[in-house]
Amino acid sequence: DTEVTQTPKHLVMGMTNKKSLKCEQHMGHRAMYWYKQKAKKPPELMFVYSYEKLSINESVPSRFSPECPNSSLLNLHLHALQPEDSALYLCASSQFRAGDNYEQYFGPGTRLTVT
Amino acid sequence: RKEVEQDPGPFNVPEGATVAFNCTYSNSASQSFFWYRQDCRKEPKLLMSVYSSGNEDGRFTAQLNRASQYISLLIRDSKLSDSATYLCVVNKAPGFQKLVFGTGTRLLVSP
Repeated sequence: DTEVTQTPKHLVMGMTNKKSLKCEQHMGHRAMYWYKQKAKKPPELMFVYSYEKLSINESVPSRFSPECPNSSLLNLHLHALQPEDSALYLCASSQFRAGDNYEQYFGPGTRLTVT
Repeated sequence: RKEVEQDPGPFNVPEGATVAFNCTYSNSASQSFFWYRQDCRKEPKLLMSVYSSGNEDGRFTAQLNRASQYISLLIRDSKLSDSATYLCVVNKAPGFQKLVFGTGTRLLVSP
């Protein structure tokens, strides 16, 4: 079964708060991703980790800080966010082999509201 | 030109109808193509990968035309549960772990 889990499901935070989003997969995938999705828009890639190393940062503001503690876990640390950062944050994972592309499987997301 | 273009719809069809969605992509070097479905306020779920030879999974058929840079999804015998947004997804470049999403086509199947 393909499963990516994310916690929390919902998060409300103030602009001065620090919080973290968590993602976990047990499919043995070696690539993990963070996406941001606003209402009625497609997901936008934020970060890609391949073999626990950051391989893509799509010019994301530094108030978003990713971390990949091991091959199954991916975190997104949040600090000093703005109201416009309110969105659905999706984690995904996929197999990885240099030169190839694989399907990505998404977690259910964390719905973030910044007040 | 957008990297991946889709008709946003909505497509309103009765149960049992056949409906087709189209998608065009701009990067001729793209090699991997997918259709995802996304229900309201849920995550995208992989529907099917799209292969050069075309592929079928039950009521769903996907086709790829590399010469025209065009992908299609055909849904036969539509069910109420098929109501969702269908996202056309293309990889940015061979081996580059970035997917580019179309804006999605909304399908509404009515009784």
